[in-house]
Amino acid sequence: GENVEQHPSTLSVQEGDSAVIKCTYSDSASNYFPWYKQELGKGPQLIIDIRSNVGEKKDQRIAVTLNKTAKHFSLHITETQPEDSAVYFCAASPLRAGNMLTFGGGTRLMVKP
Amino acid sequence: ETGVTQSPTHLIKTRGQQVTLRCSSQSGHNTVSWYQQALGQGPQFIFQYYREEENGRGNFPPRFSGLQFPNYSSELNVNALELDDSALYLCASSPGTKETQYFGPGTRLLVL
Repeated sequence: GENVEQHPSTLSVQEGDSAVIKCTYSDSASNYFPWYKQELGKGPQLIIDIRSNVGEKKDQRIAVTLNKTAKHFSLHITETQPEDSAVYFCAASPLRAGNMLTFGGGTRLMVKP
Repeated sequence: ETGVTQSPTHLIKTRGQQVTLRCSSQSGHNTVSWYQQALGQGPQFIFQYYREEENGRGNFPPRFSGLQFPNYSSELNVNALELDDSALYLCASSPGTKETQYFGPGTRLLVL
């Protein structure tokens, strides 16, 4: 089955700096890659997702890039703010699995004011 | 439009007991997926229900079972609870089996 590795496990940045989180996946058939943000005591909240027919997607300060050849995808957050502090999860699923997701282990992002 | 809701929010059980967790899907969503999230880890897929039928299952034993009702709400049942079942149980709904999922706040289960 699919296996998703996520790095780093913790990331500390200064407010206003950029943050990058990287994920690799094992199943070359994977074609759906969402990113979720989870705040303490809450369920994961979708922040952006990408499908394999595009290489990059952007939504304001957040962007995701996908390299299908290398089987990795990344989340980029620019101009970080203290409210961006949370745990971020990447996930992947192959076409045959629809939206039954395999998640990475998570990255705890801390934005220092 | 209401989001995904789950009940109860917290639950304490003892080893060997049985538990039922409930999920109400977002309006218009016919697909519900359940995930187990151990402390400090990413969610792990348990199973998915689509229009009242199990559509897929992760690597969980048969003592984890589920149900989806005609209104698309869902239940997760766990029999013979073990200490390792202590986790946050997340429900996610979507308007189909390939569309974006939206998660509820979860039920935190503690098995003593």
